[in-house]
Amino acid sequence: DAGVTQSPTHLIKTRGQQVTLRCSPKSGHDTVSWYQQALGQGPQFIFQYYEEEERQRGNFPDRFSGHQFPNYSSELNVNALLLGDSALYLCASSSPLAGGSSYNEQFFGPGTRLTVL
Amino acid sequence: GESVGLHLPTLSVQEGDNSIINCAYSNSASDYFIWYKQESGKGPQFIIDIRSNMDKRQGQRVTVLLNKTVKHLSLQIAATQPGDSAVYFCAETLMDTGRRALTFGSGTRLQVQP
Repeated sequence: DAGVTQSPTHLIKTRGQQVTLRCSPKSGHDTVSWYQQALGQGPQFIFQYYEEEERQRGNFPDRFSGHQFPNYSSELNVNALLLGDSALYLCASSSPLAGGSSYNEQFFGPGTRLTVL
Repeated sequence: GESVGLHLPTLSVQEGDNSIINCAYSNSASDYFIWYKQESGKGPQFIIDIRSNMDKRQGQRVTVLLNKTVKHLSLQIAATQPGDSAVYFCAETLMDTGRRALTFGSGTRLQVQP
């Protein structure tokens, strides 16, 4: 069973450009959350999708948007990139109904390293 | 792989010693807490969790302690091994819907000296 997968692994963009990151959740999971992890810091919650809708959102501007597809995979889009958007972007999947060792356990992917020049 | 934190507080221990990593959480309403381990180039990996109705939980070589009075968590790792070297984060959330976002602490780098 594949865990959470993310693509691409690394990405380099310039200021003002737009970027799309992709995530496939763990099998059986219907909820996808996105986190931004700046160097030297803990991950910060961006937003969460399930049933193809954004359900929760952290303190991020509208330049950050997303989508969830019927197969539960998800995309994170960032417009008008700033230097400060350089970070590791993590996707986590979960499902309260999927069982597992712990309630609300979120399984993280390896992340996409975005560098904005 | 890439380092996940160049400027994190660092705990350096000798192989075989016990390690204690501390975390202060922010929301007194949080009722579910998790410790994650993040190795270089990887996403956070679940280690152990604890609910707010408990003050201690033990796993394999790991123990989590919760002090709600002072909003403090600790992770104890027994007989620390080189493979334990990583960055450790605590996270807090609410269990009500099962879909709540996680709020992470700032992390501690654990270095195990052979």
